[in-house]
Order: sequence, then structure tokens, then C-alpha cells
Amino acid sequence: EVQVMDSGGGSVQPGGSLRLSCTASGFTFSAYGFNWVRQAPGKGLEWISYISSAGNIIYYADSVKGRFSISRDNAKNTLYLQMNSLRPEDTAVYYCARPRGYSYGFDYWGQGTLVTVSS
Amino acid sequence: QSALTQPPSASGSPGQSVTISCTGTSSDVGGYKYVSWYQQYPGKAPKLLIYEVTERPSGVPDRFSASKSGNTASLTVSGLQVEDEADYYCSSYAGTNFVVFGGGTKLTVL
Repeated sequence: EVQVMDSGGGSVQPGGSLRLSCTASGFTFSAYGFNWVRQAPGKGLEWISYISSAGNIIYYADSVKGRFSISRDNAKNTLYLQMNSLRPEDTAVYYCARPRGYSYGFDYWGQGTLVTVSS
Repeated sequence: QSALTQPPSASGSPGQSVTISCTGTSSDVGGYKYVSWYQQYPGKAPKLLIYEVTERPSGVPDRFSASKSGNTASLTVSGLQVEDEADYYCSSYAGTNFVVFGGGTKLTVL
């Protein structure tokens, strides 16, 4: 059974840092690119970052470019999101999401982890 | 990156059909065959309903169908059921912006 689990959220002050993790099982993790998508309270979905299966191709949304860093450890079946210089507007539930093949549709999502940035 | 445009709300009675639109540009919806649709219940992760404009993953009822014309994609829910009441999001591959989502549509089953 495919399982994807996000973790690492919490409360942090503006300017602080946090690292999210996403652990996968039930499929060959190293064969898939992965994404982070976030959802601010009461708002819509926002794609924020992608990393290829080998980790050599990375994209970021403008809203997080220069502050967030995506990475992966295929030996540990784990995806990461290092978030620095956090702002109140980064407050959201963060999801890791696996694409369905090359379709850019995300068929498996973590349960989400809440990040709250507040003083 | 600008979000795709969806109506904030839609509604229908049980058994009826409702269509939700998703308008983008030639740089996203109109330029690629990679439009997806998601269903999300409160407090839950989104669920993929449609990928590559019209394709349904296994397990998604055929009451859910989708299409695209120009820069606008559409999701149709036929034979509305009470459990279809949820938020629906479209997304599209957007080239250098990678993936962009719509603002979401809250579907109410009256």
C-alpha cells in the first residue's frame, strides 16, 4: 500500500526556520519526482516546490524562492523542505504530493503538517 | 504565479449535474494537456479526480468527467450525491511556473 506521511510542522517566530519531512513507503520512492503544496487557513492550494527523482532538477514558486530548499534522501525514502526566513504569510498546512507518472496530477498526498509563523 | 480562475461556489440538487469552470491562459491550461482536478473535504488532503484533462484514476466514479476548450477547463459532476459536497480545485502544468492551482470552488448539494 502506498503511504506518504508529512511531519515536522510547528510554531515558529517570524524569521525562524523549520524543516519538514515526508516519508514514503509502498512504492519505489527513487523513481518519482515529488512536490510540496501548501494551503493557508481557509485558502486554496498553492504549489511551492518540485524535486526530480534523482534530485538534480528543482523548481520553486516565486513566493518561496531563496528562502525554502527542497531535498531528498532516496536511501531513506524521505523528502525534505528546509524553510528559512519564515514569514507570517507562510502559515499553512504543508503537503508533500507524488505525481501520477508524468501527468503533473498528484495522486498521493501526505496528511499535511501545520506550520504557524507568529510572534 | 497567478492562480487559475474558478467560481467561488457552485450548487445543485441531488441527481442534477453541475459544471465547474477553470480559466487560465495559453501559458497553462490552453498550452498543455496537463489539467487536473481535485476534491477536498475539510481538514483532509486533496484527492485526485482527473488528470491529463479527461482521465480518471481507478476508483473515481464516472459521474466525474472533465473537458477543456481553449484556455478553459471544466469539471462536470453528474447525478449529484450528498457526499459530493466538498471543495474542488483545478490545476495545470504551467511551464516555467511548473504547476498552478485554481482558487477553488465550494460545491453545495442542496
